[in-house]
Amino acid sequence: DTGVSQDPRHKITKRGQNVTFRCDPISEHNRLYWYRQTLGQGPEFLTYFQNEAQLEKSRLLSDRFSAERPKGSFSTLEIQRTEQGDSAMYLCASSLAQWDSPLHFGNGTRLTVT
Amino acid sequence: DAKTTQPPSMDCAEGRAANLPCNHSTISGNEYVYWYRQIHSQGPQYIIHGLKNNETNEMASLIITEDRKSSTLILPHATLRDTAVYYCIGSGTYKYIFGTGTRLKVLA
Repeated sequence: DTGVSQDPRHKITKRGQNVTFRCDPISEHNRLYWYRQTLGQGPEFLTYFQNEAQLEKSRLLSDRFSAERPKGSFSTLEIQRTEQGDSAMYLCASSLAQWDSPLHFGNGTRLTVT
Repeated sequence: DAKTTQPPSMDCAEGRAANLPCNHSTISGNEYVYWYRQIHSQGPQYIIHGLKNNETNEMASLIITEDRKSSTLILPHATLRDTAVYYCIGSGTYKYIFGTGTRLKVLA
């Protein structure tokens, strides 16, 4: 079990630029989640995949955000035309698709928009 | 998913048991109680979960009241490395809603 891997760990970008983050889940996990976390707050749910299908998107996920999980393996989260309010930690998690399977999180990508 | 309520912060002496409470009075019969913790600059780490019965693993024990409206996470011998934010979540679906958790500080 190599755990959930996220890349990059840190990203600094200028306002208006596009950024893309990658998540590699635990290999046998068919569910994959994206969360966002700002300072002093708990993680907020953004979106969820089962295999390659994106089954739910939070209202937090504006049109500038898009997530994909081609072939049901790794996932990418893209933010277009970044804004300063997008600065946060972006966390990826994975789990098995069974009733009580806990989430396993990566260590996140910290985005700073200047 | 159940709404959970936790105290914002707690202190515990090193070597003593840390007992972290969580209220989840709206939890439904098929929702599990999960506990995670988050150490600064890392992703949340799964600790333990349960439905009705008390559970124990190598990290902690989980005590769930008979009416399932509250639970307590017990770290039997807290160490400085247990200093973290602890989250209690009630979930019966694929979605896990995090609150602001309890910031536990273990004191030397």
